[in-house]
Amino acid sequence: DAGITQSPRHKVTETGTPVTLRCHQTENHRYMYWYRQDPGHGLRLIHYSYGVKDTDKGEVSDGYSVSRSKTEDFLLTLESATSSQTSVYFCAISESRAGGIGEQFFGPGTRLTVL
Amino acid sequence: RKEVEQDPGPFNVPEGATVAFNCTYSNSASQSFFWYRQDCRKEPKLLMSVYSSGNEDGRFTAQLNRASQYISLLIRDSKLSDSATYLCVVRNAGNMLTFGGGTRLMVKP
Repeated sequence: DAGITQSPRHKVTETGTPVTLRCHQTENHRYMYWYRQDPGHGLRLIHYSYGVKDTDKGEVSDGYSVSRSKTEDFLLTLESATSSQTSVYFCAISESRAGGIGEQFFGPGTRLTVL
Repeated sequence: RKEVEQDPGPFNVPEGATVAFNCTYSNSASQSFFWYRQDCRKEPKLLMSVYSSGNEDGRFTAQLNRASQYISLLIRDSKLSDSATYLCVVRNAGNMLTFGGGTRLMVKP
């Protein structure tokens, strides 16, 4: 299995509080991604990174920010959590291959509940 | 219309049965196609890539029809351990992945 960890694995927080989720990889992969997974919507991309300090928005980026100061760490921050951000958050990594970007490997997920 | 659509199921089949899932995609410029498997409360994992000529991996066969913009997954001789949600995934020209909502399979003894 790819070396990807996420922390915390579970979190319950209150509306309006800031929350930071961490993704850590030991594979030295260039690309890192944050997704959220909700019933009826499947996995949706929040933000992604294509290198240290290089990030871009995905499909559902409103209310989220990210940072990548080291190759191995990709942080997702909810500045002021809302109940609509209750979800399961997955981090993924991938690397360049001939012809494009290779397979994405996923971390174990973080279950976030915003009360 | 969703970019990648799947029948959510569940598909309930007995052990040993053959089951097929279809998936349709709306972006004709999509470049690559995959099936991922996701077990309950676990992360998605790549099951197989889907090639234009069709490809097989043991009991699993994937096919792509670009003209009709659909992808299929066939599972032969179903095992209890095949019970999971199967995600259809499409890569677009920007190298981003778009996931379908998944099809749930339950294999019964």
